[in-house]
Amino acid sequence: AQSVAQPEDQVNVAEGNPLTVKCTYSVSGNPYLFWYVQYPNRGLQFLLKYITGDNLVKGSYGFEAEFNKSQTSFHLKKPSALVSDSALYFCAVRSRGGNTPLVFGKGTRLSVIA
Amino acid sequence: AAGVIQSPRHLIKEKRETATLKCYPIPRHDTVYWYQQGPGQDPQFLISFYEKMQSDKGSIPDRFSAQQFSDYHSELNMSSLELGDSALYFCASSISRTSGSRDTQYFGPGTRLTVL
Repeated sequence: AQSVAQPEDQVNVAEGNPLTVKCTYSVSGNPYLFWYVQYPNRGLQFLLKYITGDNLVKGSYGFEAEFNKSQTSFHLKKPSALVSDSALYFCAVRSRGGNTPLVFGKGTRLSVIA
Repeated sequence: AAGVIQSPRHLIKEKRETATLKCYPIPRHDTVYWYQQGPGQDPQFLISFYEKMQSDKGSIPDRFSAQQFSDYHSELNMSSLELGDSALYFCASSISRTSGSRDTQYFGPGTRLTVL
């Protein structure tokens, strides 16, 4: 069975500081990993994904994530946070093969303070 | 770029009523997924369709059914609604034919269902 853990319900960071939102996963075989962001009363917006290749993945809005196979982690990072980054962030995993559904973590609420 | 369209955006129903949610995937996307997100919860997978055939089944109650039509749009039919069905229902679509983007599910804005 697949699972995702986001150990922090809430992350607070000052504007301009680097941010990290943590994610660890459990899946048999090699995973497909994703980050989505959800703004209030909005849908889930795709940020980035890791499928294969370079462990550092760059995505939308200056976000990046590092895949670490030994630690089964896929932490989301941004060098300099913006107030507009404040939102709910979900890490998700799916197994390879076919159009398999996503399994989401519980989400981490990011609050960037001016 | 065209996105996933869901209708209606908001729906209010009484207990034991029925509801139909519609999803129009991104053009040329052949796979549709339905997810349910309860208040303060993460999205939970309900069901998916590929080329109009059911592909995967998750935690979808027997009271719910869904299908994908020839134009690839999908409908989620919900009967005997219960208070606990109040949630945000997301549809997502993906494409299986192009290797570069086939792994990504793109989500619609969701339908907020309130059962009174």
